[in-house]
Amino acid sequence: ILNVEQSPQSLHVQEGDSTNFTCSFPSSNFYALHWYRWETAKSPEALFVMTLNGDEKKKGRISATLNTKEGYSYLYIKGSQPEDSATYLCAPNSGGSNYKLTFGKGTLLTVNP
Amino acid sequence: KAGVTQTPRYLIKTRGQQVTLSCSPISGHRSVSWYQQTPGQGLQFLFEYFSETQRNKGNFPGRFSGRQFSNSRSEMNVSTLELGDSALYLCASSLVMGQDYEQYFGPGTRLTVT
Repeated sequence: ILNVEQSPQSLHVQEGDSTNFTCSFPSSNFYALHWYRWETAKSPEALFVMTLNGDEKKKGRISATLNTKEGYSYLYIKGSQPEDSATYLCAPNSGGSNYKLTFGKGTLLTVNP
Repeated sequence: KAGVTQTPRYLIKTRGQQVTLSCSPISGHRSVSWYQQTPGQGLQFLFEYFSETQRNKGNFPGRFSGRQFSNSRSEMNVSTLELGDSALYLCASSLVMGQDYEQYFGPGTRLTVT
């Protein structure tokens, strides 16, 4: 069973604050890491898919980095807005014939106006 | 392009009954995965289908089964329902599962077992 840890479990920030959270996963047999954002009453939405060690991806105010050697990824949000409030999920995939994503329990972000 | 659709959106069943949920993937997507989401457990992988073949299965009892049709639509069946099966069931489609392709999720079916 793949052990995926996300921290913190929840986070409250003020509008305008920058924040970051962590996804830890086994570094062996790594192929790709997926980040998703899940807003209440909506479907999970893909943010990034990352495969290369040292990779950095950016979408607007959200960016992510990947360290496959030590098994972690950081998600950063710059200048948080209330609409960023959501649960952020990560899911590694080990490729090959492992046709599934194992999701962490997520980080619940609340941005107060 | 239409997104992933799931039917029904809400369902109430009693213990012992069985239920079938349906998922229509994005046009052109051949991989469909199913997940169960319960409070405190996060998204738990149920199974994945590609070209009508189940390629991977999560740690769920045999009461949970699925299938995929030639048009990539997928169904999930739960027999002999238990109270603990109450959950949000999500399906997600992808061009090719896992690897570095994004999954697109449907709105989910909320199943309540009484």
